[in-house]
Amino acid sequence: NAGVTQTPKFRVLKTGQSMTLLCAQDMNHEYMYWYRQDPGMGLRLIHYSVGEGTTAKGEVPDGYNVSRLKKQNFLLGLESAAPSQTSVYFCASSVRDRTHSGANVLTFGAGSRLTVL
Amino acid sequence: AQSVTQLGSHVSVSEGALVLLRCNYSSSVPPYLFWYVQYPNQGLQLLLKYTSAATLVKGINGFEAEFKKSETSFHLTKPSAHMSDAAEYFCAVRPLLALGGYQKVTFGTGTKLQVIP
Repeated sequence: NAGVTQTPKFRVLKTGQSMTLLCAQDMNHEYMYWYRQDPGMGLRLIHYSVGEGTTAKGEVPDGYNVSRLKKQNFLLGLESAAPSQTSVYFCASSVRDRTHSGANVLTFGAGSRLTVL
Repeated sequence: AQSVTQLGSHVSVSEGALVLLRCNYSSSVPPYLFWYVQYPNQGLQLLLKYTSAATLVKGINGFEAEFKKSETSFHLTKPSAHMSDAAEYFCAVRPLLALGGYQKVTFGTGTKLQVIP
């Protein structure tokens, strides 16, 4: 039972380069999320998806794009990396809260550490 | 609008001493509240959650938290700290609304717990 798997775990980019982070979940969760974690700032939501083929902007979407072509995968892309995007990126997933019980607890991946020089 | 404030970005306790990590929330509607823990180089995992069923919530690893509406607080406690409790702890809030579906989760900035032998 893998849960949420992120690849790659580490990446170093030069300014202006592009890359894609891949998130895969095997729990059949409807919702998926991308967060970035920076010291002293907690977790900030970049983009999220409530289902296959749908995405929406979070708090800090600028400079990122996402796609969810399959229910189990959520891709985060950086078209032209900037040093300000140096961060640890976390993918998470959750069920849809049909029962109103607050049960949509987030399950997180182990993180992807990105450095932009 | 919703937010959480975690008092103290770093907390140090001696092994065997009481652990108290503070979280105050602000929400325009009744909230769900969560505590997540992040061990070094790992993703976040759920410690416990408040969903209005009971004000005292017990979680994993001996942690518990009490919801106090009058104080808008959800502090995390553990009677006796263990070396393995050293980690970063995040408080989070989301709205408790009648309709299901996606509701934004807002994280605090985190508190790093150091346990001194």
